[in-house]
Amino acid sequence: EAQVTQNPRYLITVTGKKLTVTCSQNMNHEYMSWYRQDPGLGLRQIYYSMNVEVTDKGDVPEGYKVSRKEKRNFPLILESPSPNQTSLYFCASSLSAGGSIQYFGAGTRLSVL
Amino acid sequence: AQSVTQPDIHITVSEGASLELRCNYSYGATPYLFWYVQSPGQGLQLLLKYFSGDTLVQGIKGFEAEFKRSQSSFNLRKPSVHWSDAAEYFCAVARDNYGQNFVFGPGTRLSVLP
Repeated sequence: EAQVTQNPRYLITVTGKKLTVTCSQNMNHEYMSWYRQDPGLGLRQIYYSMNVEVTDKGDVPEGYKVSRKEKRNFPLILESPSPNQTSLYFCASSLSAGGSIQYFGAGTRLSVL
Repeated sequence: AQSVTQPDIHITVSEGASLELRCNYSYGATPYLFWYVQSPGQGLQLLLKYFSGDTLVQGIKGFEAEFKRSQSSFNLRKPSVHWSDAAEYFCAVARDNYGQNFVFGPGTRLSVLP
């Protein structure tokens, strides 16, 4: 089944404790993105990647890191999480350029205490 | 800066009534335009998209949207709403030529009365 898989789905952590949210797609998509969703703000793009080893900042990259060492994986890293990073996070992937359909994961709800 | 506005935070319609959700964008060139739907606890699903050509685009689940360059709008419509359409709807713009650098609107939550 074609899908974008995020793990974990729920995470509670404390300020400053490094964490990684994994994202994997099985559709051989070139493009992958990370978003955070906050009430009243919609989704805001954190980072996106157009291919292996090619990443670019979205609108809210501060406090986040990403890497794209393999085509299928695009982990989101929070080196030192803070409470303002409490949010719902989505990973998405799409096949190619030109705004092809983005497929979204089910989301990761993160709480930073 | 590019932005997407959805003036209606919450809309309630009766089942069977028509629906129009508004979306306005601020962008210099003609962007790639999208509408997504998010059901509770779910990720986003693409309803339709506009790149070029015919300004009236058809999507899934009976939705359509019309691109109006003069008004910088891309409103979503459905002639007859079903209870299963209750969800949150997001308009989005891709700002780059690759169609990957996205800006989303804040969303409109749709409630459907029986």
